Amino acid sequence: QKEVEQDPGPLSVPEGAIVSLNCTYSNSAFQYFMWYRQYSRKGPELLMYTYSSGNKEDGRFTAQVDKSSKYISLFIRDSQPSDSATYLCAMSLSNFGNEKLTFGTGTRLTIIP
Amino acid sequence: DADVTQTPRNRITKTGKRIMLECSQTKGHDRMYWYRQDPGLGLRLIYYSFDVKDINKGEISDGYSVSRQAQAKFSLSLESAIPNQTALYFCATGTGLPNQPQHFGDGTRLSIL
Repeated sequence: QKEVEQDPGPLSVPEGAIVSLNCTYSNSAFQYFMWYRQYSRKGPELLMYTYSSGNKEDGRFTAQVDKSSKYISLFIRDSQPSDSATYLCAMSLSNFGNEKLTFGTGTRLTIIP
Repeated sequence: DADVTQTPRNRITKTGKRIMLECSQTKGHDRMYWYRQDPGLGLRLIYYSFDVKDINKGEISDGYSVSRQAQAKFSLSLESAIPNQTALYFCATGTGLPNQPQHFGDGTRLSIL
């Protein structure tokens, strides 16, 4: 069993819809949770960074962490064609340097105009 | 100019050849990382370096070696390439400070025939 599971998709939704992306994990020691966005032919770029359980909002993006269920989510409101990308969840045990990032496999998302 | 530059962007080579992938950064970060990305497997850590004199193996270091020539330069070598090393390779940098996740380059697409 992988430490981090992520549905690879692909996921296609119409423009304006709310998108929900999810990851589950098995290691209860993970403390720091990240979402990266990766456009085709580009490297991952950090979208959201959260610590422990709870919600964090940034514009149209909301990250949610439920440590009791070992489940994290990323919600995208009012989705735009520019949101079409692969979304990677990542997590780590420590906050210092994050040298031990564990990634999900990524979900490919397409927003249809 | 990109903060993290990887060269080459694409490389096709034959089994048994020695290959070097290079990474340079202008972010002034001490920590540098090499990952490979494969479909269905996500990003996996190959090697990481905290400074010029500190090199550490990641989860999949077999068949790879690295050199940290300067704070800003970190190269990855495949001494004798094999087809299952065909993948997308990413370099990343980090500060080691709290709440400062890693920053990625745009990758090198490597194909080994």
